[in-house]
Amino acid sequence: DAGVIQSPRHEVTEMGQEVTLRCKPISGHNSLFWYRQTMMRGLELLIYFNNNVPIDDSGMPEDRFSAKMPNASFSTLKIQPSEPRDSAVYFCASSRDRGLVEQYFGPGTRLTVT
Amino acid sequence: ILNVEQSPQSLHVQEGDSTNFTCSFPSSNFYALHWYRWETAKSPEALFVMTLNGDEKKKGRISATLNTKEGYSYLYIKGSQPEDSATYLCAFINAGNMLTFGGGTRLMVKP
Repeated sequence: DAGVIQSPRHEVTEMGQEVTLRCKPISGHNSLFWYRQTMMRGLELLIYFNNNVPIDDSGMPEDRFSAKMPNASFSTLKIQPSEPRDSAVYFCASSRDRGLVEQYFGPGTRLTVT
Repeated sequence: ILNVEQSPQSLHVQEGDSTNFTCSFPSSNFYALHWYRWETAKSPEALFVMTLNGDEKKKGRISATLNTKEGYSYLYIKGSQPEDSATYLCAFINAGNMLTFGGGTRLMVKP
């Protein structure tokens, strides 16, 4: 298995632009998680899907952030409009269950907003 | 937001030393506790998933214990090696589906 796939690996954009991050979970996994890593706040859970349905989006910072999971093999995290404070590494992870088994993390997308 | 704390924040040990660190979490509504190892410039990798009070897990030189009644888990590394240098994260999941990572313990093992 290729593991969790994220694209792009690096994104540099200007303030105000729309940014879309993509994630392909491991086949057969029914839970998908989006995280943001910053120096100040560490690893934060943004949103979690189970069977393609958003279960907990309490970590989404504000309305500029949105996430979708149209099918079991694809999810997007969109920031519109982007701001410099959104600069961070965004990780996607998947698992076969929300908590009883481990999560597998993708390589992350390093986002820089100038 | 759930209060999940890890201590110490960082730790420097010599090769061969044994070490341990702590993850503290709410003692109510427990569902699961995960430990991850996160090397610099890589992604977190799972070490253990713990679900029952009194659980003890072991993988090579690394082991973990769980006390859900008092809300803590210990991670132990026996005979630390330079390749053990990483950040060790715990993640607490409660019965209401909330998941929170601790701030991590950064371990540096000097040869």
